[in-house]
Amino acid sequence: QTVVTQEPSFSVSPGGTVTLTCGLSSGSVSTSYYPSWYQQTPGQAPRPLIHSTDVRSSGVPDRFSGSILGNKAALTITGAQAVDESDYYCVLFMGSGVWVFGGGTKLTVL
Amino acid sequence: QVQLVQSGAEVKEPGASVKVSCKASGYKFTEYYLHWVRQAPGQGLEWMGWINPNSGGTNYAHKFRGWVTMTRDTSITTVYMELTSLKSDDAAVYYCTRGPSLTSHPTAFDPWGQGTLVSVSS
Repeated sequence: QTVVTQEPSFSVSPGGTVTLTCGLSSGSVSTSYYPSWYQQTPGQAPRPLIHSTDVRSSGVPDRFSGSILGNKAALTITGAQAVDESDYYCVLFMGSGVWVFGGGTKLTVL
Repeated sequence: QVQLVQSGAEVKEPGASVKVSCKASGYKFTEYYLHWVRQAPGQGLEWMGWINPNSGGTNYAHKFRGWVTMTRDTSITTVYMELTSLKSDDAAVYYCTRGPSLTSHPTAFDPWGQGTLVSVSS
């Protein structure tokens, strides 16, 4: 069974840039997987950030961007702020009507 | 506005079943897939499956086939997720979320319900 991989944790300084990635245990992520990204703070439902690789959801600041970097999907935060300290999840469309979430990345801003 | 409102918290004994509801409003109910995602305490998100509210067709993650059932009632724009033979590790927050339209490519899961906490304890 294919596993979607994410860094368990990451740290960024306020104002800095960080890139979180979303890969596959076997194979490469492409736009055909329609990667999307979600932000979650404790006790809250996930908030959509990016879908279809690089399309920002409504109301999402433009410091969040999505792309394909090498063989992975990527979420880049440019000019990180304290409010960005959250858990971030990617999800990939595997075909045949199946989606799989990554394990999530805990982002610390300090 | 588009909104998903879920039923309240449940406490179940091991071996029991739970049925969680998700009422949709603010859009045409039969035009978008509805998905279920769960999150165990301190753990990540886990995709469980979807229902096509128009046809009632479903697709479940391999792990849940045989013990999850998703249904809908179009008259009250509500979908349901029933999980049987509950075990302690089924304790989680269960979310419904709207997926892509029936005619589009995969897009965001947006919006999300508020979540329903299911506790499993004897």
